[in-house]
Amino acid sequence: GAVVSQHPSWVICKSGTSVKIECRSLDFQATTMFWYRQFPKQSLMLMATSNEGSKATYEQGVEKDKFLINHASLTLSTLTVTSAHPEDSSFYICSATTSGSGNEQFFGPGTRLTVL
Amino acid sequence: AQSVTQPDIHITVSEGASLELRCNYSYGATPYLFWYVQSPGQGLQLLLKYFSGDTLVQGIKGFEAEFKRSQSSFNLRKPSVHWSDAAEYFCAVGSGGYNKLIFGAGTRLAVHP
Repeated sequence: GAVVSQHPSWVICKSGTSVKIECRSLDFQATTMFWYRQFPKQSLMLMATSNEGSKATYEQGVEKDKFLINHASLTLSTLTVTSAHPEDSSFYICSATTSGSGNEQFFGPGTRLTVL
Repeated sequence: AQSVTQPDIHITVSEGASLELRCNYSYGATPYLFWYVQSPGQGLQLLLKYFSGDTLVQGIKGFEAEFKRSQSSFNLRKPSVHWSDAAEYFCAVGSGGYNKLIFGAGTRLAVHP
């Protein structure tokens, strides 16, 4: 139980285009979803926290207009990287929590984004 | 500011040998501490956590960790490593349970047969 999936697992795009990454909780309803960014050989950095039906709360330094987060249902959150540039290339990881698990975060496998 | 330091970027051990991965944290209040493991193609998996109580916590896959407040440490240990333990290990501190997790840079574990 408590499986989180991400799609796609990897994506390559041209500079200036937008990319959407999906995060789904497959067997539970996620009250809260988190989006992280992981740079090579570095730790995961929290980008934003989203609750279903509410606007996401972004961490300091994260551009909300560049990283659009939509949490339209209890099982799906999307991260859209708008007008992507090479510096946005990174590993993006989502996690989801449910109150039934004591708010433990369950992590997706991540999405590797490469912007050319 | 809250932070987590994992001093060892990469560790190699022989299969069957004991393992200790170091983690130091900086946190103003009583920390919530976690160890996660990340295998290629898989999401981070929670190995164990410390919220309060007994400072020696047992986790899955034979791992344990000891919270030492005086040393601001939460080192992960395993008495006998298996080849399948090769992965990336992350220590994390949470400000309120699982929320607002702050991760260390990770330690990559390689296991020699």
